[in-house]
Amino acid sequence: GENVEQHPSTLSVQEGDSAVIKCTYSDSASNYFPWYKQELGKRPQLIIDIRSNVGEKKDQRIAVTLNKTAKHFSLHITETQPEDSAVYFCAAREDTGGFKTIFGAGTRLFVKA
Amino acid sequence: DSGVTQTPKHLITATGQRVTLRCSPRSGDLSVYWYQQSLDQGLQFLIQYYNGEERAKGNILERFSAQQFPDLHSELNLSSLELGDSALYFCASSVQGSGELFFGEGSRLTVL
Repeated sequence: GENVEQHPSTLSVQEGDSAVIKCTYSDSASNYFPWYKQELGKRPQLIIDIRSNVGEKKDQRIAVTLNKTAKHFSLHITETQPEDSAVYFCAAREDTGGFKTIFGAGTRLFVKA
Repeated sequence: DSGVTQTPKHLITATGQRVTLRCSPRSGDLSVYWYQQSLDQGLQFLIQYYNGEERAKGNILERFSAQQFPDLHSELNLSSLELGDSALYFCASSVQGSGELFFGEGSRLTVL
């Protein structure tokens, strides 16, 4: 089955700096790669996603890149703000009859003002 | 508000007991997913249902079972509870094929 590895587990940046979180997946059948943000005590919420037929997607300060050959995908946050502090999860979805979305272990991002 | 409703929000019980967690998906969503999030851990996929049928299974223990009813709400049953079952259990729903999971607020289970 699918396995998603996520690095780093903790990331601390200064406000205004960029943050990069990297993930790898194992199952070449996975074709959808979402990123979720979970604030303390809250539910995870989708912030951006990318499908396997696209190499890069951008939404304001957030961008995601996908390298299908290497089975790598990354989240880039530019001009970080204190409200970006949260846990970020990458995920990969297998479409094998069901839609099993497997999450990485998460990255706790701290943005220091 | 995601539109996904989970009850109860909090539950405290003893080892060996059985509990049922309930989830109502967003209106129109046919797929329901259950995830377990232990303290400072990631989201572990348990099981997925689509329109009443089991579609995908993760690392769900044999002591756990779930079902989706004709009105599309779902229940996760946890039995013979152990201390290690203490966790936040999330339900999520999606429109089949769209990808995005809409999570409920979670049910926090504490086993003493």
